[in-house]
Amino acid sequence: SQQGEEDPQALSIQEGENATMNCSYKTSINNLQWYRQNSGRGLVHLILIRSNEREKHSGRLRVTLDTSKKSSSLLITASRAADTASYFCATDVLSGAGSYQLTFGKGTKLSVIP
Amino acid sequence: SQTIHQWPATLVQPVGSPLSLECTVEGTSNPNLYWYRQAAGRGLQLLFYSVGIGQISSEVPQNLSASRPQDRQFILSSKKLLLSDSGFYLCAWSSRRNTEAFFGQGTRLTVV
Repeated sequence: SQQGEEDPQALSIQEGENATMNCSYKTSINNLQWYRQNSGRGLVHLILIRSNEREKHSGRLRVTLDTSKKSSSLLITASRAADTASYFCATDVLSGAGSYQLTFGKGTKLSVIP
Repeated sequence: SQTIHQWPATLVQPVGSPLSLECTVEGTSNPNLYWYRQAAGRGLQLLFYSVGIGQISSEVPQNLSASRPQDRQFILSSKKLLLSDSGFYLCAWSSRRNTEAFFGQGTRLTVV
C-alpha cells in the first residue's frame, strides 16, 4: 500500500519561481527521502532527512519534516526548465525481515516553463 | 563505485509468454534489492524485496515471482504474462545501513 502521498499531483510554474511540493505519510518512519524521475527513466535520489531532523538544505533544495503532522515539504528555489520532472517522497518502513524497505508516493509532476 | 544494471530497456511480449528481467549490482556486497512497478503516470508499487540470497518478500499477490540466485543478482519472472503485467519495472538497491536507494534505468514492458 502507498505510504506517502504527494500534493499537488501536478504543478506548473514559470522559470525562476519557487516550487513547493508536499508529502504526507501514515506510519512512523526512520527517515524520509525525496527522489526525482525524468520521463521514462529511473529515479535519482535528491535528499534524505532523518526523523530527528526538521530541515535540511542541498543546493537549491530545502526539505522540511514535521513528524507530529507526518508531513514533509520539498522546496525548489529559483526553478529552471531542467527541473521539469516528477518528484516522489519515500519513507522507510521496518519490515518483518528486520530491514527497512522504501515505499513511495504517487509523485508530483513539475513543469517549469521557460 | 557502485553501479546497477537492468535490462532490457524495452520489451514487447505476447500474452501467455514467459518473462525474465535481470538486474545486477556492482561495487557493493549484501545489498537490499527491490523490484518496483510503475503504471503510467503513477507512483511506484513495491513488488518484491530481498535482504539476502534466496530471501524474497512479496508485497502484493500477482502473476510475478522473483529470485536472488547470487548476492548481487535479482531476477523478476513470470511463467505466463497477462495484459495487466504491462508497465515500467524498476530495480533498485540500498545498503543495509543507509536506505538511500539507487535505481536502474527501468524496463518498459508491453504485453500484447
